[in-house]
Amino acid sequence: EVRLVESGGGLVKPGGSLRISCATSGFVFTDAWLAWVRQAPGKGLQWVGRIKTQAENLTTDYFAPLEARFHISRDDSKNTFYLQMTSLRVEDTGLYFCATYGASRRFDYWGQGTLVTVSS
Amino acid sequence: DVQMTQSPPSLSASIGDRVSITCRASQSISSWVAWYQQKPGKAPKVLISVATRLESGVPSRFSGRGAGTDFTLTITSLQPEDVATYFCQQGHSFPLTFGGGTRVEIK
Repeated sequence: EVRLVESGGGLVKPGGSLRISCATSGFVFTDAWLAWVRQAPGKGLQWVGRIKTQAENLTTDYFAPLEARFHISRDDSKNTFYLQMTSLRVEDTGLYFCATYGASRRFDYWGQGTLVTVSS
Repeated sequence: DVQMTQSPPSLSASIGDRVSITCRASQSISSWVAWYQQKPGKAPKVLISVATRLESGVPSRFSGRGAGTDFTLTITSLQPEDVATYFCQQGHSFPLTFGGGTRVEIK
C-alpha cells in the first residue's frame, strides 16, 4: 500500500521559516518524481514544485513566484522529501499536500496534508 | 503558463442525473489532462488521466473526453457519494496548473 504522510506544519510568524516533511512507503522512492501542492483555505489547488530523481540530477521546478523562497529536497535513504519555506507570508497559509507525479502526468498518490498558518 | 478555465463553479443535480464539467485550456495541451475528486477535509483523488483513461478502482459512471483545448468530465448517473469538488489539471507543461474547481451538490 502506498502511503505519504506529511508532518511539520504549524503556526509561524510572517517572515519566518518552516520545513515540512513527507515520509513515504509502498513504492520505489528512488524512481519517483515528488511534488508539493498547496490549498489556501476554501480555495483551489496550486502546484508548488517538483523534484526529479537522483539519476536526473535532482532537477527541481517551481511555481515561479515561489522559487526564491521555497526549496524542495529529498533523502532517498529515508524515503522522505521536504519543502523548506522561507520569508513566509500570510498568503502562504494553507494545507500543503505532498504527492507523487507519475508518468501519465498526473498526481498519483497524495498525503493527507499538513496545515501551515502564517500569522502574527 | 497554461490557464485552465473550469466551469461551472458549482452545480446542483438530482440523484441519477447526468452531470458534465468542462475545462478549457488557454493553449493546446494535447491530451495531458487529469481530473480529481476532492471531498471535504481529504486529499484529492485522481479519477481520469490522459484525458480519457479511467484510473483503477474508479466507478465506470465517470468518464473523460476531449483533446487540444476542450475537455469534459462526465458523471453518467450522479450518486450521493459523488458530492465533492472536482478539479482538472494540465500536465502539458510546467508550471502545472489546475482549474478553479467545480462543487457538485445533490438537489
